[in-house]
Amino acid sequence: GQNIDQPTEMTATEGAIVQINCTYQTSGFNGLFWYQQHAGEAPTFLSYNVLDGLEEKGRFSSFLSRSKGYSYLLLKELQMKDSASYLCAVMDSNYQLIWGAGTKLIIKP
Amino acid sequence: SQTIHQWPATLVQPVGSPLSLECTVEGTSNPNLYWYRQAAGRGLQLLFYSVGIGQISSEVPQNLSASRPQDRQFILSSKKLLLSDSGFYLCAWSETGTSGANVLTFGAGSRLTVL
Repeated sequence: GQNIDQPTEMTATEGAIVQINCTYQTSGFNGLFWYQQHAGEAPTFLSYNVLDGLEEKGRFSSFLSRSKGYSYLLLKELQMKDSASYLCAVMDSNYQLIWGAGTKLIIKP
Repeated sequence: SQTIHQWPATLVQPVGSPLSLECTVEGTSNPNLYWYRQAAGRGLQLLFYSVGIGQISSEVPQNLSASRPQDRQFILSSKKLLLSDSGFYLCAWSETGTSGANVLTFGAGSRLTVL
């Protein structure tokens, strides 16, 4: 079966750096997405990786290793507004998105 | 620019009552449209998707149905709600066609409580 694993919850301190990991086992691979979802709101797109390596976008970076079935989202200079759930999703060979359950990130002052 | 509208935002319905959630997209043509359900602590579950008017694919057998009467309108319905239908329902759209880089843009969501 297809599976996306990410930690349920993480805690970090304002101003620090946090890395949220995602491992996947899917039928084929056509890209990996990260979305941010604040409580009670809709997910919003953060990043897309289809090739191995690091994609940097401001304070957020996303890394992909297709051979390891692994990705991480790196958040730098954490701000209180970064408190949210972070969803990892993989597009399989049928171009269907497989979603992880999300990682709830708690930022403490 | 493209916008997506979804309503109602919140509703409380008794078991056995009907349901209608509506979603419209502006600023694009022939989008792919999706209905997802999100249960607490679980990943997004794809319920229906549509690549064109009248073309609906169902991913999960259930007492829900979807319709696309117009190019940019997507409706989620039920004739008789069950307790298990409670959840956060999200409409989303992506650019037409199949591409790995198709980003989903979500509506604000509808929180349904069935009592």
